[in-house]
Amino acid sequence: ETGVTQSPTHLIKTRGQQVTLRCSSQSGHNTVSWYQQALGQGPQFIFQYYREEENGRGNFPPRFSGLQFPNYSSELNVNALELDDSALYLCASSSGQGTPYEQYFGPGTRLTVT
Amino acid sequence: AQRVTQPEKLLSVFKGAPVELKCNYSYSGSPELFWYVQYSRQRLQLLLRHISRESIKGFTADLNKGETSFHLKKPFAQEEDSAMYYCALSNGGATNKLIFGTGTLLAVQP
Repeated sequence: ETGVTQSPTHLIKTRGQQVTLRCSSQSGHNTVSWYQQALGQGPQFIFQYYREEENGRGNFPPRFSGLQFPNYSSELNVNALELDDSALYLCASSSGQGTPYEQYFGPGTRLTVT
Repeated sequence: AQRVTQPEKLLSVFKGAPVELKCNYSYSGSPELFWYVQYSRQRLQLLLRHISRESIKGFTADLNKGETSFHLKKPFAQEEDSAMYYCALSNGGATNKLIFGTGTLLAVQP
């Protein structure tokens, strides 16, 4: 069974640019959640996708958007990057929506905005 | 507002000593509480959840609704317990949005 994978591992962007982060969910999982973890903080929920539809969103501006594909992999897109977007971005997948289903986390993508 | 508070950034104990990692929460409803752990160079993983009422790796946590706490305890710490521990709350429902605390780094000294 393959776990959650994320790409790229690290990324450096300039303020104002756009970035796309990718996540492959664990085999058999149809739900993907994205979290932002700033240095010294716990992960913060960005949004969740269930069967290709957005299924809940945290307190993030519209320039944070996402997609889920038919194979349940997912992308996180961030437009007009700001310095404060520098963080570790975590993807988590689960085999269903709701609390009974454990979320399995990927290793994260470290984004640095200069 | 929904919030999870972990008051200690770092907890250092000696091997064999008892451990208690504190977690308090603020939530208007019936929360589900979790402890996640991140060992060095590994990904974040679920340690335990209050509804399971299990003991995992010797750790237990009891939900105290009166004190709005979900402290993680272990009677005898081991060096391999050294890791970052996050307490998290779920708002329930279909989304299972997790709200994390800032984490406590547990360092078990030999």
